[in-house]
Formats: sequence, structure tokens, C-alpha cells
Amino acid sequence: NAGVTQTPKFQVLKTGQSMTLQCAQDMNHNSMYWYRQDPGMGLRLIYYSASEGTTDKGEVPNGYNVSRLNKREFSLRLESAAPSQTSVYFCASSLGPGQGFYGYTFGSGTRLTVV
Amino acid sequence: GENVEQHPSTLSVQEGDSAVIKCTYSDSASNYFPWYKQELGKRPQLIIDIRSNVGEKKDQRIAVTLNKTAKHFSLHITETQPEDSAVYFCAASLTDSGGYQKVTFGTGTKLQVIP
Repeated sequence: NAGVTQTPKFQVLKTGQSMTLQCAQDMNHNSMYWYRQDPGMGLRLIYYSASEGTTDKGEVPNGYNVSRLNKREFSLRLESAAPSQTSVYFCASSLGPGQGFYGYTFGSGTRLTVV
Repeated sequence: GENVEQHPSTLSVQEGDSAVIKCTYSDSASNYFPWYKQELGKRPQLIIDIRSNVGEKKDQRIAVTLNKTAKHFSLHITETQPEDSAVYFCAASLTDSGGYQKVTFGTGTKLQVIP
């Protein structure tokens, strides 16, 4: 039982390059999330998917797109990376609407540097 | 929207002493309050949570208290140990009309336990 798996763990991009961060969970959770973590700013929600087939913007969605590929997988895409997107990215999952809430399970994170 | 403030931002205690971290929230509809521990370079992990119908919850050396009237909740760690050194995040969540749980995180407290 792997929980929430994120790839890659580290990535360096040049300004303007694109990439996709992958996330998969095997806990049969309905809801999935992408957060970024910057020093002194805690965890900020980029996008979320309350259930399969739906996605919604969070607090800081600009410059990102997401795809909920199926119930297990939720990817985050940077179309044209900027230095301001240098951050640590966490994927998370939870049970979902109407099933109660028991907190998040986080992935191990992706440390992204844009130069 | 919900606003969560967390204090202090850093906290140093001697091993064996107690540590207290405090959070306030703004939306009285928030009904679930989890705490996460994040060790250096690791993912946040849920350590304890409390629901709005409970005033206090304890799990071994950690406890959380909730004052709904004042809209604040606190994490208490007793008999601190070096392995308690980490960043701690509080969060407040509420259920929207669609049954989706909206979570807002505090900015984190870096706890250092001095041997």
C-alpha cells in the first residue's frame, strides 16, 4: 500500500520550459489536491479535484493546469515555467464529499527549481 | 473566505518541557481542525485532529483543545523530545454546500527541542 506517489522528486527547468508532475493514490480516495509550499507561506492550494471528472481552481492557479485522469491519478502541468514557480509541490488526497473528512494523505513532494 | 493565523512562527524549548502552538480561525462554520507535522525534507503528516463538537482530544504526549466561542485551537506537546523538532501546521476546514471540505492552513510553527 503505497499511499500517494509523486514523480519526479526533483526537477530543474529553464524558464519557458514545460513539464507535468504526476500523482497517483491507491487508497480509493475521491478527492485530490495540488499544493505548493514556499518558505514562510505555508501550504497554498493550486487546484483540486473533489471527485473524478471535476477540477477547480484553488488559491494560486495562475500558470498551472491540471488533469484528473481517473480516480487514482491527478497531474499538474506547468506550460511555461517561470522562476516564481520555484517551490516544493505536494499532491494530497482525501475521502471526498459526503464521506466525512479525516485529513489529507500527502505525497513525498517534488522540489522544482526554475532557472 | 476562511483565514487561519498561527503563532508563534518559531519556538525553542528544552527537552522535557512543554510546547504550545496556537491558531485562530475566522469562519464560525469551520468544523474540523487537523494538525500536521512536517520533518525537514519530508511530507506533512497528520498527527491529531479535533471536530467542532469536541473541546479536547489527547493522544499520548500530544493534545489539542478547541474553543469555538473564541474561534481558537491549540496544540500541546508535553515532555518534548528531540524527535518532536519539526514544522507544525494547523488547519481549519468547513463543508461547503456541495459537501466538499475546504481546508485553510496556517503558516506553520518551527519547533526546536534542545537536548
